[in-house]
Amino acid sequence: AQKVTQAQTEISVVEKEDVTLDCVYETRDTTYYLFWYKQPPSGELVFLIRRNSFDEQNEISGRYSWNFQKSTSSFNFTITASQVVDSAVYFCALSDLNQAGTALIFGKGTTLSVSS
Amino acid sequence: GAGVSQSPRYKVAKRGQDVALRCDPISGHVSLFWYQQALGQGPEFLTYFQNEAQLDKSGLPSDRFFAERPEGSVSTLKIQRTQQEDSAVYLCASSTGIGGKETQYFGPGTRLLVL
Repeated sequence: AQKVTQAQTEISVVEKEDVTLDCVYETRDTTYYLFWYKQPPSGELVFLIRRNSFDEQNEISGRYSWNFQKSTSSFNFTITASQVVDSAVYFCALSDLNQAGTALIFGKGTTLSVSS
Repeated sequence: GAGVSQSPRYKVAKRGQDVALRCDPISGHVSLFWYQQALGQGPEFLTYFQNEAQLDKSGLPSDRFFAERPEGSVSTLKIQRTQQEDSAVYLCASSTGIGGKETQYFGPGTRLLVL
């Protein structure tokens, strides 16, 4: 069965600290896709990144970086020099079949609180 | 361009009432998904449309839930005889194509409270 685990329920940091959000997934498929979404208090899920299972290169986008390790089935997300605006719930998601109607399987989310 | 929009943003219903939730996907997006998000949880799949065809409704929790997308654009999720356990945020997402590799773009959700 497919499953996404975000073991950290809540994380609190002070502005300018670096923070890593963990994501561990389970799937039997060899081809799959991983996503991170941000859900601010307004409620809308904002897309951050998509990776496929064949691309293990780490990616950096500004203060955000992602570490994909197939050997440990992990896709961790790091925010460098966190800011108050980063406060939100962050979801990791898995999509493991490239066929019509493949729904995202979400973890339970990690609530990040950044204080000034 | 415009993103996914949903209406109403908030809905309070008395137990037993019927409700209808609307989703306007991004123009031209073939795929449309509905998810249910309980408090403190991640979204869970309800149903999927490819254009006007409802190809998967395996996530609908009961036969009180019904969804349609008659012209392949706007979609409506209807809940009949609402129960307190239906209280949740209902999220709509759309994507350009089909398949798991497609990025889904989400609307702001409708927060439903059943009293």
